[in-house]
Amino acid sequence: SAVISQKPSRDICQRGTSLTIQCQVDSQVTMMFWYRQQPGQSLTLIATANQGSEATYESGFVIDKFPISRPNLTFSTLTVSNMSPEDSSIYLCSGTTGRGGYTFGSGTRLTVV
Amino acid sequence: DQQVKQNSPSLSVQEGRISILNCDYTNSMFDYFLWYKKYPAEGPTFLISISSIKDKNEDGRFTVFLNKSAKHLSLHIVPSQPGDSAVYFCAASAEGSSNTGKLIFGQGTTLQVKP
Repeated sequence: SAVISQKPSRDICQRGTSLTIQCQVDSQVTMMFWYRQQPGQSLTLIATANQGSEATYESGFVIDKFPISRPNLTFSTLTVSNMSPEDSSIYLCSGTTGRGGYTFGSGTRLTVV
Repeated sequence: DQQVKQNSPSLSVQEGRISILNCDYTNSMFDYFLWYKKYPAEGPTFLISISSIKDKNEDGRFTVFLNKSAKHLSLHIVPSQPGDSAVYFCAASAEGSSNTGKLIFGQGTTLQVKP
């Protein structure tokens, strides 16, 4: 299965600033996704990153807050904009080539102070 | 609306015994189910999956059972080992005619295997 390199692995940011998280896949994947895991909670899907077009966001998530890019089949970025302490979470990207082939990045642990 | 539920936040078992982790779902469109293991500071690692056309899938020490009528699945780990101590997530996908590829996760169960 594909291997995903995600960076940064962690960051501490000031409120009001933005952070861009990158995921690089070592092979082409059909779909890429971005998840958030808030402390003590499950992984919540933020959006599906669509190659060459706007991402598809889940309920409760908007493009202005979480702009996503996916310029090709192996790379995607998620930006957490205008951060507040409530954005402190682990952010994970995932890729799949089809049924059963889901792979996750190692996650970005974000702390907003 | 929590479509995938893991009602036990934690489970503790003795090394060598069986660990049973449970998961319930509400969306009848789900047709593919996966279990992931997650260690702190790492991304989830795929363990085992099952399609809705099956009721059992086995891979080494890991077996997943699916009861479609009850909308329930379980992960059995036999024998449990201390290295199995981690958070286990159940996930579901509707990959039939509406294949979006999205995974919906349960809340996770923290398994502790005591030596």
